[in-house]
Amino acid sequence: DADVTQTPRNRITKTGKRIMLECSQTKGHDRMYWYRQDPGLGLRLIYYSFDVKDINKGEISDGYSVSRQAQAKFSLSLESAIPNQTALYFCATSDPRTYGGYTFGSGTRLTVV
Amino acid sequence: KQEVTQIPAALSVPEGENLVLNCSFTDSAIYNLQWFRQDPGKGLTSLLLIQSSQREQTSGRLNASLDKSSGRSTLYIAASQPGDSATYLCAVRPMTGANSKLTFGKGITLSVRP
Repeated sequence: DADVTQTPRNRITKTGKRIMLECSQTKGHDRMYWYRQDPGLGLRLIYYSFDVKDINKGEISDGYSVSRQAQAKFSLSLESAIPNQTALYFCATSDPRTYGGYTFGSGTRLTVV
Repeated sequence: KQEVTQIPAALSVPEGENLVLNCSFTDSAIYNLQWFRQDPGKGLTSLLLIQSSQREQTSGRLNASLDKSSGRSTLYIAASQPGDSATYLCAVRPMTGANSKLTFGKGITLSVRP
């Protein structure tokens, strides 16, 4: 099993719908992150969480919300999806107690029509 | 604000060539630098992580170097193969306390021609 698992892998949704992307990890890391990737713009941080009770906005949090249900689970929600939220979304984890490297999930390709 | 630049955006080389991918960053106060590989439409796979106190890291045909004072890192790929075709991203973690977060470059898309 992958260290960081994202579901779904692909999703097409309509404008205005609420959608949730899920992430779970088996690394035992406290820190989790949500990024989106767009062609030409690179990876941008949406939200991050350093533990279950610590959630912070990243560069581009507008239109998104998150929930840290447990140390291993971090969900990203689009409250009312719009076409410019079409992107590849990645969840990642890190552990500052070790070497500090990041582990990424395989991504969710979201298309808003 | 930390900025990470990777130039060129794309590179095409014949199989067997040794090549260097460059990464530059504006703030030299970094905690570590990480190189990732991304295949089209896929996730990021960590290749090498260099701590701020290190000069280089090696894994197989890959060697990454770090020069903090000049704000540069290079990823050297020896004897390139078509299977090395992918996008390579570098990311720096700044030394701004425990809450520092990664800043990514936009990546270099490498194509290795058979």
